[in-house]
Amino acid sequence: GENVGLHLPTLSVQEGDNSIINCAYSNSASDYFIWYKQESGKGPQFIIDIRSNMDKRQGQRVTVLLNKTVKHLSLQIAATQPGDSAVYFCAENLPRSNYKLTFGKGTLLTVNP
Amino acid sequence: DTAVSQTPKYLVTQMGNDKSIKCEQNLGHDTMYWYKQDSKKFLKIMFSYNNKELIINETVPNRFSPKSPDKAHLNLHINSLELGDSAVYFCASSQGRLNYGYTFGSGTRLTVV
Repeated sequence: GENVGLHLPTLSVQEGDNSIINCAYSNSASDYFIWYKQESGKGPQFIIDIRSNMDKRQGQRVTVLLNKTVKHLSLQIAATQPGDSAVYFCAENLPRSNYKLTFGKGTLLTVNP
Repeated sequence: DTAVSQTPKYLVTQMGNDKSIKCEQNLGHDTMYWYKQDSKKFLKIMFSYNNKELIINETVPNRFSPKSPDKAHLNLHINSLELGDSAVYFCASSQGRLNYGYTFGSGTRLTVV
């Protein structure tokens, strides 16, 4: 398939388990962060965002945690489903950067039925 | 009713040719972007336009030239294509303060042979 031989960080979980995907961001001045999901053959799709004045935000089955001290973001997916299988990216935005989003490396999540 | 649409979806061409990729968004957004995704899935910004004005121009060979005839359209023209230009090119758009980040198109897979 499209993801073979990519050498991305990978996470393999069983259906129904919780998943945690981690991301280290690069700039301590970044003030807005987004998690994207990219399914095979498609463009990245917004999942959840968080601003730097928060340390946690919850959506439907997803939670983002932000630790500014160590420049770390995580995405938690509850009760992971086969449809969650995708590459997940974190992205950061620096103030006064003309809305530029800088993407992290991506993590391939595989959910086994 | 695709929000951000790119054409063509696939493009196979010979080295040295000139080609264009078109992008249109019907979201009423005022900022549009081109990103390049390499074989390792790394996403890197190339250009951004806000209301037809170029606001981000990353270190990209000058064989790549973006054009924005109006705020709903952003095209990418590539001259003298090289093997290393093979990648997936994504168009995206956003509104104002980046609430909900970007909306991405489904990508154009360019293969230079």
